[in-house]
Amino acid sequence: DAGITQSPRHKVTETGTPVTLRCHQTENHRYMYWYRQDPGHGLRLIHYSYGVKDTDKGEVSDGYSVSRSKTEDFLLTLESATSSQTSVYFCAISGTSGNYEQYFGPGTRLTVT
Amino acid sequence: EDKVVQSPLSLVVHEGDTVTLNCSYEVTNFRSLLWYKQEKKAPTFLFMLTSSGIEKKSGRLSSILDKKELFSILNITATQTGDSAVYLCAVEGPGGGADGLTFGKGTHLIIQP
Repeated sequence: DAGITQSPRHKVTETGTPVTLRCHQTENHRYMYWYRQDPGHGLRLIHYSYGVKDTDKGEVSDGYSVSRSKTEDFLLTLESATSSQTSVYFCAISGTSGNYEQYFGPGTRLTVT
Repeated sequence: EDKVVQSPLSLVVHEGDTVTLNCSYEVTNFRSLLWYKQEKKAPTFLFMLTSSGIEKKSGRLSSILDKKELFSILNITATQTGDSAVYLCAVEGPGGGADGLTFGKGTHLIIQP
């Protein structure tokens, strides 16, 4: 398994509170991604990073921000959580060798009440 | 907008049957198509297909891509209960994996003993 961890694995928070999810990799891969997975929608890209301090928006980026200050860490922040952001969040990484399979972390289940 | 459509959305078969899962796509400047298996956790990588007509095979699973007709199939022969999962199809656009994958909604496969 690729060396990807996510924290926390489960979180319950209240509407309006800020939340930060962490993705940590030990593979030294250049590319990192945040997806959310919801019933009926499948996996959708929130933000991605192509290097330290280099990030860009995905399909469903509204209400989310990201930061990458080190190769190994990619943070996803919900500035003011809403119930529509209740979801399972997956981090993924892909390598620098030219093949772009993405490998996924174990996921974080976030519930916003 | 890139689009990936999987069919059927769900499928129930008996152990030992052969199944074929379908994935059609519309994507600007296609680079590759990927298959993942998802049990009650993170998606795990199965295949990446870049060239039309070349079958990728791993044990009882195989997949092929038709770039002219814009679809791929995933075959599983001699199915086992451990094959029960959601199978996800995803495509890479012009940025390669560098700007994320577009996923279909998945096929939920149930193998009955």
